Amino acid sequence: AQKVTQAQTEISVVEKEDVTLDCVYETRDTTYYLFWYKQPPSGELVFLIRRNSFDEQNEISGRYSWNFQKSTSSFNFTITASQVVDSAVYFCALSPLMNTGFQKLVFGTGTRLLVSP
Amino acid sequence: DTAVSQTPKYLVTQMGNDKSIKCEQNLGHDTMYWYKQDSKKFLKIMFSYNNKELIINETVPNRFSPKSPDKAHLNLHINSLELGDSAVYFCASSQDLGQGKETQYFGPGTRLLVL
Repeated sequence: AQKVTQAQTEISVVEKEDVTLDCVYETRDTTYYLFWYKQPPSGELVFLIRRNSFDEQNEISGRYSWNFQKSTSSFNFTITASQVVDSAVYFCALSPLMNTGFQKLVFGTGTRLLVSP
Repeated sequence: DTAVSQTPKYLVTQMGNDKSIKCEQNLGHDTMYWYKQDSKKFLKIMFSYNNKELIINETVPNRFSPKSPDKAHLNLHINSLELGDSAVYFCASSQDLGQGKETQYFGPGTRLLVL
């Protein structure tokens, strides 16, 4: 079974603090992909990053960084020097490689991040 | 230029009515999806079409019927609407390479409220 757990329901920080959003996944597949999406208050879903199961290198994009650890089945997301505009619900998702070759995203329950000035 | 668009953005209707939501993508993708986001923000896939063919059909009531007239469009028709159908419905698309790695790009969502 495929499952994504985001144990933090809501996190509140003050601007300029660093914050880490946790994501733990379960899959028996050896090939899979992990994603993070952002859902700001306006409601749309914005793609942030994709990582495959064979690439455990950490990735940094501006104030965002991702830490993928296969040994602990985690794909955590850190925002450095948070800003009010980072306030959103963040979703971690898993895409197992189905036997059809097609994709199905399995989402976590999301973490609501509130950044106050 | 909107990549994945949905109409309408908001839909308020009475129980028992039939309604449709339309989705169009101009990304040249060949796979499209419908997801449902409930009041607790939980996102779950409903359907997926590849080149107009149904490839994923999760446990969804028969009242929901997707239709893909061409690979750029995927519409969702809902019969006999129920209170529990109230949710945000997201359309998404990806360029499927048969490797499971493709990124799905989402539309703005359609907020459906059944009274």
